[in-house]
Amino acid sequence: SAVISQKPSRDICQRGTSLTIQCQVDSQVTMMFWYRQQPGQSLTLIATANQGSEATYESGFVIDKFPISRPNLTFSTLTVSNMSPEDSSIYLCSVGRSGASDTQYFGPGTRLTVL
Amino acid sequence: SQKIEQNSEALNIQEGKTATLTCNYTNYSPAYLQWYRQDPGRGPVFLLLIRENEKEKRKERLKVTFDTTLKQSLFHITASQPADSATYLCALDTNDYKLSFGAGTTVTVRA
Repeated sequence: SAVISQKPSRDICQRGTSLTIQCQVDSQVTMMFWYRQQPGQSLTLIATANQGSEATYESGFVIDKFPISRPNLTFSTLTVSNMSPEDSSIYLCSVGRSGASDTQYFGPGTRLTVL
Repeated sequence: SQKIEQNSEALNIQEGKTATLTCNYTNYSPAYLQWYRQDPGRGPVFLLLIRENEKEKRKERLKVTFDTTLKQSLFHITASQPADSATYLCALDTNDYKLSFGAGTTVTVRA
């Protein structure tokens, strides 16, 4: 298993500002994912972040809006840039060892409110 | 387009009864299907994974079936307890490493 922590757990931000969310894992993992979960909706994959390569973004998500860093096998950050109220959501990171054939472990999430 | 649909209504059941949740999908051919539990304010927690060549899998009071012809998975919680109250998510692999999630079904077990 993997234990994942996220910082901050929640934040309230002003429109136009940026927030960086940190994800720390207690063991080295190859695959790390960032999701968004809006109230009452499913998890939507934002991007996949593998160490040593550029993050791969899903349709509808771009690097300028959601820059991601993955400096090592236990840490990643997601920045939500130039925020608007539509970015209010829960942001979750998860890790997996061998892809969709294996378990994904999720962090507790960061609840973001943009005013 | 690809779509995953779970019970749209919340499920309220009496303690001791069996809860049955459905996960239907279209325009997918998943090799794996996973079920997760999510409690309020927490990230999802893995429960079970079933492969396309498996019809059924069990874990304690949980049972999952996978019918690739009907494009459906059923998730059963037998002898339900109030502690089973949570939202349950199904997830399908969209390629070798990515999962797509359904919106979830909220289960409330009454004592």
